[in-house]
Amino acid sequence: EAGVAQSPRYKIIEKRQSVAFWCNPISGHATLYWYQQILGQGPKLLIQFQNNGVVDDSQLPKDRFSAERLKGVDSTLKIQPAKLEDSAVYLCASSPSGHSPLHFGNGTRLTVT
Amino acid sequence: AQSVTQPDIHITVSEGASLELRCNYSYGATPYLFWYVQSPGQGLQLLLKYFSGDTLVQGIKGFEAEFKRSQSSFNLRKPSVHWSDAAEYFCAVGAEGFQKLVFGTGTRLLVSP
Repeated sequence: EAGVAQSPRYKIIEKRQSVAFWCNPISGHATLYWYQQILGQGPKLLIQFQNNGVVDDSQLPKDRFSAERLKGVDSTLKIQPAKLEDSAVYLCASSPSGHSPLHFGNGTRLTVT
Repeated sequence: AQSVTQPDIHITVSEGASLELRCNYSYGATPYLFWYVQSPGQGLQLLLKYFSGDTLVQGIKGFEAEFKRSQSSFNLRKPSVHWSDAAEYFCAVGAEGFQKLVFGTGTRLLVSP
C-alpha cells in the first residue's frame, strides 16, 4: 500500500510569512494526526482528526496555526504568521482508527529565518 | 499528565554488541507504551508496543522491551546490533492506546564497526 504522502519536503520562509503543508493519508484511514518535531525533541501532537472532525487540538497554537481535513481525506496545516520557533519537522500520520498503529509520513522540514 | 524521560541523548555501540536503551515514564494508571525508530529524513516506525499482559514484548527487527511497573521503566533491548540499526529511537506513552502519544526526547544510536 502507498504510504502517507507529505509535501513539500522542505520549506524555507521568513518570519511573519505564511506557509501551508499538505498531507495525503493512506487510503481508508479515518484518523489523521499532525505532529511537530523540533530539533532535539520528540514529536508533539498538534491536532488529531477523525474523518473530517477534530478530536483533539488542545496543543495547537490557534492564534497562528490552523488545520483542516476536507472530505475526511487530505489535510492541510497552515501557519500564519510564522515565528522563528516554528522551525521544525511537521509530521503527518494516519491510522485506520484511533485504536490502531500510526503510519507516519516523512515529514516537511520548515526553516523560519 | 503523562511524561517520558530518555536519559541518554547519544549511545555508541559496537556492531554485534548488545544494546539497551532506557525509558522511564510517568503516568498514574496503566500506561500504553511504545518504542519508535526514526532514520534520518524518515518518519517514525513502530518497533513494538505494550498494552497489557506479558511484560516482555517482542517487536520487529529483533528488538524487545520489558515493562517494569515498579521502576516505571520500559527499556528497549537487542542482543546483537547491526550497522543498519543506527537511527534515533523514541519511547512514547499513551493514555488512550495510540491516541495522544507523548514522546521522549529520543536517543541517537551510533554503531561503530
